[in-house]
Amino acid sequence: TQLLEQSPQFLSIQEGENLTVYCNSSSVFSSLQWYRQEPGEGPVLLVTVVTGGEVKKLKRLTFQFGDARKDSSLHITAAQPGDTGLYLCAGLTQGGSEKLVFGKGTKLTVNP
Amino acid sequence: NAGVTQTPKFQVLKTGQSMTLQCAQDMNHEYMSWYRQDPGMGLRLIHYSVGAGITDQGEVPNGYNVSRSTTEDFPLRLLSAAPSQTSVYFCASSSRRDSYYNEQFFGPGTRLTVL
Repeated sequence: TQLLEQSPQFLSIQEGENLTVYCNSSSVFSSLQWYRQEPGEGPVLLVTVVTGGEVKKLKRLTFQFGDARKDSSLHITAAQPGDTGLYLCAGLTQGGSEKLVFGKGTKLTVNP
Repeated sequence: NAGVTQTPKFQVLKTGQSMTLQCAQDMNHEYMSWYRQDPGMGLRLIHYSVGAGITDQGEVPNGYNVSRSTTEDFPLRLLSAAPSQTSVYFCASSSRRDSYYNEQFFGPGTRLTVL
């Protein structure tokens, strides 16, 4: 069962545009992570958010964790071709057997 | 410090063949896991280990075996390959399974095709 829904699945924009990627669930997570994956490589961690309502910034990337810890968003300002890649959100489930559950990903292409 | 290494990078098998995907990490991480990545499906957990001698099943364990005899190595065995196992396989490790800030370090992946 896929607990995390990411949208959009594909996004193609021009350099300089802004964009937002969403990660939604009906489940509460202990924490939520965002990874970026480039072709032929493994995912690399961008950020972890833990507290409901938390906002973290990484240069032009802004990450937000929903107040109820069920959803998150990634906003990129003035996208650049180097931002191209697959963006994955991953939630750490609660309970006695914590697991990291991944969304299906958003494939972003930034055209020069 | 090589991080997480995986071999082979590419593999083609015939239906029914068996093979082992190798994974090693040199960061002394306790937690290791195997994922498969299929188009439109994201990353799905196959098996994981919280330490040497301890393994458990993930979301899609059927057709795969694992063992963890050392902290460093976590091989994934395909017992009798099937076309449905065509995928890209990623091994990952992390220092603490129960930390909220637990970062997973991924290997470069093994692209497997089963004919």
